[in-house]
Amino acid sequence: GQNIDQPTEMTATEGAIVQINCTYQTSGFNGLFWYQQHAGEAPTFLSYNVLDGLEEKGRFSSFLSRSKGYSYLLLKELQMKDSASYLCAVRDRGTDKLIFGTGTRLQVFP
Amino acid sequence: SAVISQKPSRDICQRGTSLTIQCQVDSQVTMMFWYRQQPGQSLTLIATANQGSEATYESGFVIDKFPISRPNLTFSTLTVSNMSPEDSSIYLCSAMTTTSSYEQYFGPGTRLTVT
Repeated sequence: GQNIDQPTEMTATEGAIVQINCTYQTSGFNGLFWYQQHAGEAPTFLSYNVLDGLEEKGRFSSFLSRSKGYSYLLLKELQMKDSASYLCAVRDRGTDKLIFGTGTRLQVFP
Repeated sequence: SAVISQKPSRDICQRGTSLTIQCQVDSQVTMMFWYRQQPGQSLTLIATANQGSEATYESGFVIDKFPISRPNLTFSTLTVSNMSPEDSSIYLCSAMTTTSSYEQYFGPGTRLTVT
């Protein structure tokens, strides 16, 4: 089976940096995804890591350590519009199913 | 990337009735999935929609309650049968294409309220 853990809520200040952690336990791993979801909207794809290391994409970066079952999403130069839920999801190797964690609700304050 | 549309966007239904949700993708995709999202919660996978064969259901979800069709590579339907208020949720269609680094995209969702 799969077990994915994230903090439930986080707060940060506009212009700051925030790191959202995700730990997972899985019987078969084929990549880790981060999605952003604003209230009332569908999740939008942010990043995909299948190998260890850091992937940078503008203000957002995602890190993966497969040996530790650990990932984080790093958001820099926070803006008010970054207030959203951030979902960590793991792809199962055998079935290609994407299993989601509980999500982290981030609130950015001025 | 793939663009996914869903119909209807929202509906209010009476207990005991059924609703069919349609999902259309603008390009051929390898995998299609149906998720449910309760208010304030994360996404729960209902099933994988398989083209031309029966869907693969997750634990806790059964075909009689959530029949799924996928007649071709770009279209799928999910029916919520014999609805009860506990079925009130957002239902999301999702698709994956192996031509784009296995990225997975989501439709806008169908907000269902059962009274």
